[in-house]
Amino acid sequence: SQTIHQWPATLVQPVGSPLSLECTVEGTSNPNLYWYRQAAGRGLQLLFYSVGIGQISSEVPQNLSASRPQDRQFILSSKKLLLSDSGFYLCAWRFGDTQYFGPGTRLTVL
Amino acid sequence: GESVGLHLPTLSVQEGDNSIINCAYSNSASDYFIWYKQESGKGPQFIIDIRSNMDKRQGQRVTVLLNKTVKHLSLQIAATQPGDSAVYFCAENDYGQNFVFGPGTRLSVLP
Repeated sequence: SQTIHQWPATLVQPVGSPLSLECTVEGTSNPNLYWYRQAAGRGLQLLFYSVGIGQISSEVPQNLSASRPQDRQFILSSKKLLLSDSGFYLCAWRFGDTQYFGPGTRLTVL
Repeated sequence: GESVGLHLPTLSVQEGDNSIINCAYSNSASDYFIWYKQESGKGPQFIIDIRSNMDKRQGQRVTVLLNKTVKHLSLQIAATQPGDSAVYFCAENDYGQNFVFGPGTRLSVLP
């Protein structure tokens, strides 16, 4: 069966510090992968998606970037975090028409 | 732009009663709809889906209804249990990569 992992689960970072969040998927190959951000009490905002290694599409201009160095690995990064980057970050993969989500990373920028 | 929204941000029901969570969407090209359940601090969990060529689909204790005429989607939970307490999201997709999610409805089950 397929499993999606995210780490870390929780992260507290100062403003201006770098960021690296990792997502990996097991049990499937060449998945479509997605990064979402969820602000408190709000819906999911699509940040990036990837249909293959090295292929990244950005949905919104922002302080973040994404990379896909391996088939089942998706990384979300920032060189300098802003306060507005705080939120719950979710990685998802697509099977057929359905998206399945990872457990999420709670990021707090102070 | 296109959007998916919810009529009720919060819903409280008695344990054992049926729950109905509603969702409106605006993209007439949307072909596929999903309901997710999200418990506090966790990622959304897939509940049930429906395609635009259907108007009803049933799962275990859950039913999704789709009314394309008025662009309305609902999730019905039968015999609501304490474990059903969570935030429920609807999402829509038009064959593209972008899934549009609503802000969610918080379901509280009262003892």
